[in-house]
Amino acid sequence: KNQVEQSPQSLIILEGKNCTLQCNYTVSPFSNLRWYKQDTGRGPVSLTIMTFSENTKSNGRYTATLDADTKQSSLHITASQLSDSASYICVVNTGFQKLVFGTGTRLLVSP
Amino acid sequence: SQTIHQWPATLVQPVGSPLSLECTVEGTSNPNLYWYRQAAGRGLQLLFYSVGIGQISSEVPQNLSASRPQDRQFILSSKKLLLSDSGFYLCASKGTGDQPQHFGDGTRLSIL
Repeated sequence: KNQVEQSPQSLIILEGKNCTLQCNYTVSPFSNLRWYKQDTGRGPVSLTIMTFSENTKSNGRYTATLDADTKQSSLHITASQLSDSASYICVVNTGFQKLVFGTGTRLLVSP
Repeated sequence: SQTIHQWPATLVQPVGSPLSLECTVEGTSNPNLYWYRQAAGRGLQLLFYSVGIGQISSEVPQNLSASRPQDRQFILSSKKLLLSDSGFYLCASKGTGDQPQHFGDGTRLSIL
């Protein structure tokens, strides 16, 4: 069964600190993996896309990694800001118009 | 870039009443369109997707239906709402290739 599991479920960090969110997937076939940021009451917005051959990709203070062998991805946030408070969703694309969504990690950055 | 418009932002409806949620897309043509439901603490569940006008694929059996009367318009409907239809409904649009899905800001539907 295609599944995407994310951990932790929720996380509280102090402003300025770093954090890493985890995503494990059992999805086949695999086309790509995206991390989305979803602010409360808004739709998700794409942060990064990782294809099978990519190990690391950065978008500002966000750095995503992908290990296609172990089927794991992580999203590292550097020097967190209050505006980083949101849910972060890992999404795997099977390549057949089908996306498998994780349940997300809810991040709260505290001043 | 694409912009997805959804309305209303919030909706409170009694059980048994009809529903019509509208989604319109700007900034692209012939997109794939999607309706998702997001329950609290759950991942997004795909309800319907459409690859063109009048073409609707349903992912899960349910009390809802979808229609695409125009290229950039996607409508989610129900004739009689159930309590279990409560949730956050998101419309999304995607172009070709590895483009991401662009999401609207959703409609929070509460059934009383």
